[in-house]
Amino acid sequence: QKEVEQNSGPLSVPEGAIASLNCTYSDRVSQSFFWYRQYSGKSPELIMSIYSNGDKEDGRFTAQLNKASQYVSLLIRDSQPSDSATYLCAVPLPNDYKLSFGAGTTVTVRA
Amino acid sequence: KAGVTQTPRYLIKTRGQQVTLSCSPISGHRSVSWYQQTPGQGLQFLFEYFSETQRNKGNFPGRFSGRQFSNSRSEMNVSTLELGDSALYLCASSLLHNEQFFGPGTRLTVL
Repeated sequence: QKEVEQNSGPLSVPEGAIASLNCTYSDRVSQSFFWYRQYSGKSPELIMSIYSNGDKEDGRFTAQLNKASQYVSLLIRDSQPSDSATYLCAVPLPNDYKLSFGAGTTVTVRA
Repeated sequence: KAGVTQTPRYLIKTRGQQVTLSCSPISGHRSVSWYQQTPGQGLQFLFEYFSETQRNKGNFPGRFSGRQFSNSRSEMNVSTLELGDSALYLCASSLLHNEQFFGPGTRLTVL
């Protein structure tokens, strides 16, 4: 089983819709979770960190964490063409001093 | 606060040569991680340094090496370059909770 798995893409949504991205992780003791956005040809940019069960909202982005189910998601509300990018879920491996990344989900927002 | 900087941004080398890439972390960050990103393999962890000590190393051959200096700046070296080493090499620095911030990357092309 991979350490971090993301729902397969690509994901295409119309402008103004909600894009839903999912991520599961294998290590039950993980305590922090991150979402990165990566535009084509650019480096990953941290857009959301979440540490506690429940929802965390930041502008049009909402991260949801369920540690019991080992599941973290990212919702992009009112999707804009500028949201078109690859979104990477990342989970630090405890005492391993590394982030484990999912393969990424590519989102395309249709104008 | 200035972000993570990487030099050079682009590099073209031929097989058999060696290359050194440099990374300056965000001021105050003492952890520096390196990743290799290719279209087929995604983000692959190379190594992590903290206070001049390598705390973790990914599954890469010994041709890949790195070091960190007392000012937290880091370098990575690849010797005897192969065509498959062509990739985007990313450096990320961290202060807390493994929340990593990436530099712009160095795009290495091996001919």
